Amino acid sequence: GAVVSQHPSWVICKSGTSVKIECRSLDFQATTMFWYRQFPKQSLMLMATSNEGSKATYEQGVEKDKFLINHASLTLSTLTVTSAHPEDSSFYICSASLGGGEETQYFGPGTRLLVL
Amino acid sequence: DQQVKQNSPSLSVQEGRISILNCDYTNSMFDYFLWYKKYPAEGPTFLISISSIKDKNEDGRFTVFLNKSAKHLSLHIVPSQPGDSAVYFCAASGDTDKLIFGTGTRLQVFP
Repeated sequence: GAVVSQHPSWVICKSGTSVKIECRSLDFQATTMFWYRQFPKQSLMLMATSNEGSKATYEQGVEKDKFLINHASLTLSTLTVTSAHPEDSSFYICSASLGGGEETQYFGPGTRLLVL
Repeated sequence: DQQVKQNSPSLSVQEGRISILNCDYTNSMFDYFLWYKKYPAEGPTFLISISSIKDKNEDGRFTVFLNKSAKHLSLHIVPSQPGDSAVYFCAASGDTDKLIFGTGTRLQVFP
């Protein structure tokens, strides 16, 4: 159980375009989802916390107008990288928790974004 | 300021021996700790966790030890297997849902 999927698994786009990444909890409802970014050989950096039906909470230094997060349902959260630039190229990973005091987060497989 | 630290970026262990991965934290409000395993280009996989009310949790070949006074936790893998080769992250959480990750330790298990 506790499977999280992401789509797409990788994407290449031109600079200036927008890219949407989906995160789905397949076998459970996730009140809270999280979006992380990982640079090569670096730890996971939390970008934002996404709560179903409310605005996402962004970490300091993360541009909310650039990284749009929508948590439309208990099983789906989306991250849209708007007007992507080469420096946005990274590995984006989402996670979801079961809620109800369960603190373990289950991670998706990640999405590799390359902006040309 | 790095609240969760993994001071060893890499570790090499022979197959069959014990692997010990260490993690230190600075925030005394952390009360839940987790270990994740990560392969390249994949999301982390949850391995094992421990609450601050315990000092040990065991699951098969994996055991996590927590020393609250030293603000230190460790993951023991015994016996180590080549398939255990990956990057291991420790993570901690406090009164929020956020996980704070360490920088990871790359474990290589050789035959």
